[in-house]
Amino acid sequence: GENVEQHPSTLSVQEGDSAVIKCTYSDSASNYFPWYKQELGKRPQLIIDIRSNVGEKKDQRIAVTLNKTAKHFSLHITETQPEDSAVYFCAPMEGGGSQGNLIFGKGTKLSVKP
Amino acid sequence: DSGVTQTPKHLITATGQRVTLRCSPRSGDLSVYWYQQSLDQGLQFLIQYYNGEERAKGNILERFSAQQFPDLHSELNLSSLELGDSALYFCASGGSSYNEQFFGPGTRLTVL
Repeated sequence: GENVEQHPSTLSVQEGDSAVIKCTYSDSASNYFPWYKQELGKRPQLIIDIRSNVGEKKDQRIAVTLNKTAKHFSLHITETQPEDSAVYFCAPMEGGGSQGNLIFGKGTKLSVKP
Repeated sequence: DSGVTQTPKHLITATGQRVTLRCSPRSGDLSVYWYQQSLDQGLQFLIQYYNGEERAKGNILERFSAQQFPDLHSELNLSSLELGDSALYFCASGGSSYNEQFFGPGTRLTVL
């Protein structure tokens, strides 16, 4: 099965700084790589995702980069704001189909200090 | 709001009891996934249904079972409950031709 490791487990930044979270996975058949944001007691929210036919995707202050050869993908948040404080999960999809279960990393708790 | 609904929001019960959690997927989505989130195990995939049929199984205990009905809503049945079953249970729904999964608000189960 898929092994997923996410680093760091906690990250504290000043408002306006950038934050980077890295995720490594083991299943070379994985072809879908989402990032979820979860606020305390709430549902995981899909914030950005990338498929294996592209190397980078950007959506305003958030970007995801993928290195399929090295089996890792990263979440980049620029100009961080206090409302970015949450736990972020990477969740590569197991297997290479169009549907499959997500294997979640253990999460990164991001704190943005005003 | 993801469009995925789950009931109930909270459930408090005793060890040995049986409960049923309900999930309605987004309109048009055929797949339902169940996940368990606990402090020690994190977010773990339990089981997937697609258009009424079981598609994949994860770390689901034998005491747990699920089904998806013709109207595509799904139920997760948890029986012989133990203290360690206390967790947040999420369902997510997804379409047939793309990968995204959208999560419902979750059911918080407390076993006393």
